[in-house]
Amino acid sequence: DAGVIQSPRHEVTEMGQEVTLRCKPISGHNSLFWYRQTMMRGLELLIYFNNNVPIDDSGMPEDRFSAKMPNASFSTLKIQPSEPRDSAVYFCASSFERGRSSYEQYFGPGTRLTVT
Amino acid sequence: AQSVAQPEDQVNVAEGNPLTVKCTYSVSGNPYLFWYVQYPNRGLQFLLKYITGDNLVKGSYGFEAEFNKSQTSFHLKKPSALVSDSALYFCAVRDSGGFKTIFGAGTRLFVKA
Repeated sequence: DAGVIQSPRHEVTEMGQEVTLRCKPISGHNSLFWYRQTMMRGLELLIYFNNNVPIDDSGMPEDRFSAKMPNASFSTLKIQPSEPRDSAVYFCASSFERGRSSYEQYFGPGTRLTVT
Repeated sequence: AQSVAQPEDQVNVAEGNPLTVKCTYSVSGNPYLFWYVQYPNRGLQFLLKYITGDNLVKGSYGFEAEFNKSQTSFHLKKPSALVSDSALYFCAVRDSGGFKTIFGAGTRLFVKA
């Protein structure tokens, strides 16, 4: 299994531009998470999908952030317009959850976003 | 509300010595507890978990953790540290009745040769 795949690995953009981050979860996993990691705030959960449905988006910073999961094998996180304070590493993670079988998350390599 | 605390920002240990990385938690129901490791420029990697059963849990790379319900702790341990264990370690907790996993701030482990 290739694990969780994220693209791009690095993104540098100017303030005001739209940024789209992409994630392919592990095949068979039914839960997907988007996190943001910074030195100041640590690891923050942005949004959680279960069976492609957004369950909790309370961690999304503001309306500039949006996330979609059109099918079980693809998700996007979009920032429009981007701001310098959005600079961070964004991780996608997936897990399989049913009953008490397994709750650990498998993380992708992350996308390092720099907004100038 | 659930929370997790890692009281040490950094732990230093000499290679070959035992290591402990501390974690305490707070949940309203039964806890699901996890340890993850992050190497530079990589995503978090699952090490081990406690869901139920034996309080001593064994995981990857020789790591183990002990669940202590009375002290609400889940400390990560390894009998003999390696230089290659140097990384950032995250403790995480999830309430058995919920879906959200809360991660600690992380503890940086330095193992000196």
